[in-house]
Amino acid sequence: AQSVSQHNHHVILSEAASLELGCNYSYGGTVNLFWYVQYPGQHLQLLLKYFSGDPLVKGIKGFEAEFIKSKFSFNLRKPSVQWSDTAEYFCAVIRSGGYQKVTFGTGTKLQVIP
Amino acid sequence: DGGITQSPKYLFRKEGQNVTLSCEQNLNHDAMYWYRQDPGQGLRLIYYSQIVNDFQKGDIAEGYSVSREKKESFPLTVTSAQKNPTAFYLCASSMVGVAGANVLTFGAGSRLTVL
Repeated sequence: AQSVSQHNHHVILSEAASLELGCNYSYGGTVNLFWYVQYPGQHLQLLLKYFSGDPLVKGIKGFEAEFIKSKFSFNLRKPSVQWSDTAEYFCAVIRSGGYQKVTFGTGTKLQVIP
Repeated sequence: DGGITQSPKYLFRKEGQNVTLSCEQNLNHDAMYWYRQDPGQGLRLIYYSQIVNDFQKGDIAEGYSVSREKKESFPLTVTSAQKNPTAFYLCASSMVGVAGANVLTFGAGSRLTVL
């Protein structure tokens, strides 16, 4: 069965610091990868996704993620965080094709200090 | 506006009572999902359905049941057999079989507290 690991459970940064959140998955075949974000009091929403093509994908609000197939990783990055980036971030994976399910990681809580 | 409506938003029940959480979508999505969110455990899949009248168990289906009689609706029943039902429940939907499918749209969630 596929699984997703997020190693950073709680990250505290000052504004303007750079961010990198780790995500590793366990499935060896073709996958689609996602980062979702849950801002305080809001719905979970899609931040960015990778289906195929350029392994460096860009999402909303200046976030980007790089798919490294050899490392089974899909780390999320942002060069300079803002206080409004305070949220919980979830990595997710689904095997491509067929009747599949989306598996989520345990989430990373990001707190940005002004 | 298209989206997912979950109700109720908050629900309190006594131990031993079954509870049904509603999830309705007007996005014309084929697939629907129920997740449970607990602090430090992320989202865990309870059940999912890709077509009407068909659904599959997720990773933590014990103590839960679902039905999919209509494309728009995917209610979740938390039965008395669920040992730790107090949690935040999220419903989601997605397209199937097209480019860009599998992107989930989430509802606002239902918080169940069992007293």
